[in-house]
Amino acid sequence: AQKVTQAQTEISVVEKEDVTLDCVYETRDTTYYLFWYKQPPSGELVFLIRRNSFDEQNEISGRYSWNFQKSTSSFNFTITASQVVDSAVYFCALSEANSGGYQKVTFGTGTKLQVIP
Amino acid sequence: EAQVTQNPRYLITVTGKKLTVTCSQNMNHEYMSWYRQDPGLGLRQIYYSMNVEVTDKGDVPEGYKVSRKEKRNFPLILESPSPNQTSLYFCASRPGRAGANVLTFGAGSRLTVL
Repeated sequence: AQKVTQAQTEISVVEKEDVTLDCVYETRDTTYYLFWYKQPPSGELVFLIRRNSFDEQNEISGRYSWNFQKSTSSFNFTITASQVVDSAVYFCALSEANSGGYQKVTFGTGTKLQVIP
Repeated sequence: EAQVTQNPRYLITVTGKKLTVTCSQNMNHEYMSWYRQDPGLGLRQIYYSMNVEVTDKGDVPEGYKVSRKEKRNFPLILESPSPNQTSLYFCASRPGRAGANVLTFGAGSRLTVL
């Protein structure tokens, strides 16, 4: 069965600090997809990024970067020079990509990030 | 605007009083799903539907019903709500069954059962 672990329940940082949110996953499949979603205080869930299991290149988008390492089954998310607007709950998710049938999405328990001005 | 719309956004009800949370998407997505979010537990899937008239249980289906009579609508029904169903509920959709497809979420419905 697939599983996603976000061991950090809450993190507080001072504005402009860098912060890394950890995500460790378990799956028996060789083909799968990993996602990060952001839930700001307003409550909606916003898609941030998707990676497939065959692409281990790190990705950078502005102040956000993602480090995917299959060897450690991790897909960590780093925010550089954090800002108050980054305060949110962040969810990591895993989706298996079997052909036919149903591809279930499993979410982690989320990490609440508080950025203090 | 492409979106998933849930109603009501907030609801306070009493134990045993049947209620329905509606969900509608305008993106012609095949797949729709309901999740509940509880502190420390993340998002857990209640039910999902891969197409019209095709529904199946997720991880926490007890106490809930769903139907998918039209492609755009996927209501969540609580026949006899109980306090342990107090939660934040999200409806989501995606285009088809492929695991690569990104879920689009509704704004959430906060339900309190007294």
